[in-house]
Amino acid sequence: LAKTTQPISMDSYEGQEVNITCSHNNIATNDYITWYQQFPSQGPRFIIQGYKTKVTNEVASLFIPADRKSSTLSLPRVSLSDTAVYYCLVGDAPEYGNKLVFGAGTILRVKS
Amino acid sequence: ETGVTQSPTHLIKTRGQQVTLRCSSQSGHNTVSWYQQALGQGPQFIFQYYREEENGRGNFPPRFSGLQFPNYSSELNVNALELDDSALYLCASSLAATTGANVLTFGAGSRLTVL
Repeated sequence: LAKTTQPISMDSYEGQEVNITCSHNNIATNDYITWYQQFPSQGPRFIIQGYKTKVTNEVASLFIPADRKSSTLSLPRVSLSDTAVYYCLVGDAPEYGNKLVFGAGTILRVKS
Repeated sequence: ETGVTQSPTHLIKTRGQQVTLRCSSQSGHNTVSWYQQALGQGPQFIFQYYREEENGRGNFPPRFSGLQFPNYSSELNVNALELDDSALYLCASSLAATTGANVLTFGAGSRLTVL
């Protein structure tokens, strides 16, 4: 199973862009990279998923270099409500015995 | 479309007892995963059910068991409860993809306290 490494915590201010980098040196060919957000006492919520290059949706962008050994979640213009724990996961489809493994995550604190 | 619902939301048990937690999958999903999340830690994978069979398991002892029903709902059973079993138990459903990783939809969890 590909293991991921993220910073333990990050601080930012409202209106800033936040980039959280995840390292996954042992990522397999079939693995996709997925990011989740979790607020206290709630289940994680899907943010974005990608395989290579760049993916963008209405809330975030995901940058994946050619070697796929790392990825960066970019949150544009964060607000106080973006204060949460962010998890990076790598894994593939259930047919391959997928076991999506969460790491410790990155605690993002957004200040006013 | 309905999301993932879990019951009960909170419960208190004593050591040695047994507990059953329930999960209703999001409509259209056919895979269910269970996670244990201790305070201040990331969710730990317990097991996953696909087509009513367990097709992946984390480092949890056999006293953690589960079921997936034909309607894709699921149960997590824990026997001989220990104090360390106190945690938030999360259920996640997904639609098995032929390519790519499935995207998990989580419930709000069941908070178990073992005294």
